[in-house]
Amino acid sequence: DSGVTQTPKHLITATGQRVTLRCSPRSGDLSVYWYQQSLDQGLQFLIQYYNGEERAKGNILERFSAQQFPDLHSELNLSSLELGDSALYFCASSVGPAGQYFGPGTRLTVL
Amino acid sequence: AQRVTQPEKLLSVFKGAPVELKCNYSYSGSPELFWYVQYSRQRLQLLLRHISRESIKGFTADLNKGETSFHLKKPFAQEEDSAMYYCALGLIQGAQKLVFGQGTRLTINP
Repeated sequence: DSGVTQTPKHLITATGQRVTLRCSPRSGDLSVYWYQQSLDQGLQFLIQYYNGEERAKGNILERFSAQQFPDLHSELNLSSLELGDSALYFCASSVGPAGQYFGPGTRLTVL
Repeated sequence: AQRVTQPEKLLSVFKGAPVELKCNYSYSGSPELFWYVQYSRQRLQLLLRHISRESIKGFTADLNKGETSFHLKKPFAQEEDSAMYYCALGLIQGAQKLVFGQGTRLTINP
């Protein structure tokens, strides 16, 4: 077990709605990364936070936002949801460039 | 632009046969390469990183900067190796994000 936890495991919602995904990194890891895994796009980096501050942005839509709190947990907010947002969302954490450790993911289904 | 290419979407070999999963990358900087494995319905797990030169579960991978490749190899495949394998490029300068290849689904036949 890598120690990264994500809630919820599954989320089913309707188009136009807003959801929040939560991630707790491994103890001691300051960096949190969010990835989206879909059948057509594969694994895509969304955003990275380091000790509360945004460090890097990838292919993240304007409808999506994230933050990292003082206790280092992170939340990914997805709004105005569309059918195409249905995917597996992974959180990962690391202490540096030695590799990232992934959580179990949240499966989002937009109906 | 940074890119990782895994040319084989699917790879099927028999148990006991050698396995090689190909990975090529495109990056102008100094690369950090990783292999991740995802077993059915499980999270991605870090399998190998090139800087450590280790062997995990019998798998090895050598970074070839001349050919910009980081192929994953195992001399004798086992049924439990069946999984999705992702090659990833770690971008250290400025941001420590991972750029993933599209993945190769490895199936080991009995």
